[in-house]
Amino acid sequence: KAGVTQTPRYLIKTRGQQVTLSCSPISGHRSVSWYQQTPGQGLQFLFEYFSETQRNKGNFPGRFSGRQFSNSRSEMNVSTLELGDSALYLCASRGGGGEDTQYFGPGTRLTVL
Amino acid sequence: GENVEQHPSTLSVQEGDSAVIKCTYSDSASNYFPWYKQELGKRPQLIIDIRSNVGEKKDQRIAVTLNKTAKHFSLHITETQPEDSAVYFCAASRGFQKLVFGTGTRLLVSP
Repeated sequence: KAGVTQTPRYLIKTRGQQVTLSCSPISGHRSVSWYQQTPGQGLQFLFEYFSETQRNKGNFPGRFSGRQFSNSRSEMNVSTLELGDSALYLCASRGGGGEDTQYFGPGTRLTVL
Repeated sequence: GENVEQHPSTLSVQEGDSAVIKCTYSDSASNYFPWYKQELGKRPQLIIDIRSNVGEKKDQRIAVTLNKTAKHFSLHITETQPEDSAVYFCAASRGFQKLVFGTGTRLLVSP
């Protein structure tokens, strides 16, 4: 099976802009989670989508949003970008069960200037 | 909600030594505990996981132990090699709740 894929891999934006990142899960997986990774903060959970519904949510401002499509592909959007949003954004997919193994994508490196 | 603490933040060992990384969790109902290894510039990859009905699990040089009473679990790497150098993350979850990660341990194995 193909692994989790993310596009784009690298992105440079300026403050105030918005950005959309995409994640395609492993075939058959219905859950997609998003994480923000920065050197000082580790892996911070953003949200999880399961069957097109947000199942879990982290403690990020409303500028961060997401959605999931019927084919389980997911997108996350960040509006009004700030310098502090520069990070590696990782998505991960799992079958759907709570104890299912979670597999990560390669990430999208976002730089905000 | 769940909180996971991980220690140490950095660990330096000589090749061939053993390395132990410890995590504690707060939610006594947590039932799934994976460990991920992240090499520089790469995605986190699952190396081993354990469920709450098991006390110990081994896979070659890697083992994980779980103490539900004390709410802590540990990663043991024996006969360390330079290619074991990476950042290791522990995590915990309960049912369909989100996976909560520790802050990571940077392991450096010197030849």
